Parts: sequence; structure tokens; C-alpha cells
Amino acid sequence: AQKVTQAQTEISVVEKEDVTLDCVYETRDTTYYLFWYKQPPSGELVFLIRRNSFDEQNEISGRYSWNFQKSTSSFNFTITASQVVDSAVYFCALSEENDMEYGNKLVFGAGTILRVKS
Amino acid sequence: DAGVTQSPTHLIKTRGQQVTLRCSPKSGHDTVSWYQQALGQGPQFIFQYYEEEERQRGNFPDRFSGHQFPNYSSELNVNALLLGDSALYLCASSLRDYNEQFFGPGTRLTVL
Repeated sequence: AQKVTQAQTEISVVEKEDVTLDCVYETRDTTYYLFWYKQPPSGELVFLIRRNSFDEQNEISGRYSWNFQKSTSSFNFTITASQVVDSAVYFCALSEENDMEYGNKLVFGAGTILRVKS
Repeated sequence: DAGVTQSPTHLIKTRGQQVTLRCSPKSGHDTVSWYQQALGQGPQFIFQYYEEEERQRGNFPDRFSGHQFPNYSSELNVNALLLGDSALYLCASSLRDYNEQFFGPGTRLTVL
């Protein structure tokens, strides 16, 4: 069964601090995809990154970076030098390859609320 | 290039009523998925439509039904509303064989 766990319910940091959001997943598929989405107060989910299970290279995009470790089934997200505009709810999600024939649903974690204070 | 649009933005209904939510996918996308997001929780998959047929369904009762039109837009219908149906309903669009989904702003449904 697919499952995504985001153990951190809420994190508060002061502006310019680095912050890491944890994501642990469960799947029986060997091919799967992991995602991070940002949900600002407006409610719309904003796509941040998609990573497939065969690509364990870490990725950096500006102040954002992602660490994918299959050995620990984790896909963590780090924001460097956080800013007030980073305040939002962040969701990690999983999609399995076997699902692709029948659909490509996303299974989401419960989300982590990030509050960045000035 | 218009993104995913949803209507209405907000909706208030009473228990037992029926509701229809609408979604227009991002230009070029052929697949529409619907998610329910209760307060303080992550989105839960309701179902997905492709070529006007329900392609995949999550663990939701038959009170939840949908439709996809030839122009790829979609509707979500919920019958016999319960208080527990109060949530943000998100529509996402994608291409059939590519699982990157783009989300709309959602419809906030309140059931009194």
C-alpha cells in the first residue's frame, strides 16, 4: 500500500534560517515518483519538484534543495535562508508506476506548516 | 496560457442537498483528477477522468460522481451532502501518461 508520512506538523523559524521538511514514504513498487507541493494561504497547490525512483541525485533550485534516499525511503526538502514568503503548508506526495496504466493518482502526506517570522 | 480553473470559489449548502463543482483543465491537458482536502489534512484522491470515462477511483462513496466533457472539462457531483463533506475540493489536470499534476485554486464547500 502507498503511504506518505510527514511527521513534522508545524515548524517555526526566523527569517534567514535554514529549514528541512521531512518526508518518508512506503510503496511496494520499484518504479515510483515523488513530489513536493506548496500550498500558500490562497489554497492552490503549487508544484515544486517531481523525482522518479531511479534518479537519486540531489537537486538544487535556487534556495530549494531536495535529498532523495531510497535506502531510508525519504525525500526531504530543505529551504536555505528562509524568507517570510516561504510561509505555507508543504506537501510530499507519491505516485506509483503500476498505477499509470489505470491512472496516476497522487497520495499525499498530511503536510507540514512552515511559519517564517521576520 | 490559462491554468486550471474551478468554479465556484465558495459554496454553502445544507445537509441532504446536492452540489456540482466545475473544473477546466490547463490548456493541452486531457486528464482531470479531483481531490478532497479536509481542514488540516492532505488532499485525498476522489477519482480521475480521461476520455470522458472514470479511469481510477479512490475510497469515496457512490454519492460522489463525476463527468468529463469532450473539451476535457469536468464536473464533480456530490449527492445527499453530509456535514463531513465540508472541505476544499481541488481539481488537477495532467496528460494521461505523465503524472505531474497541476492544481486549480479549489472550491471551498461548507455543509451546514
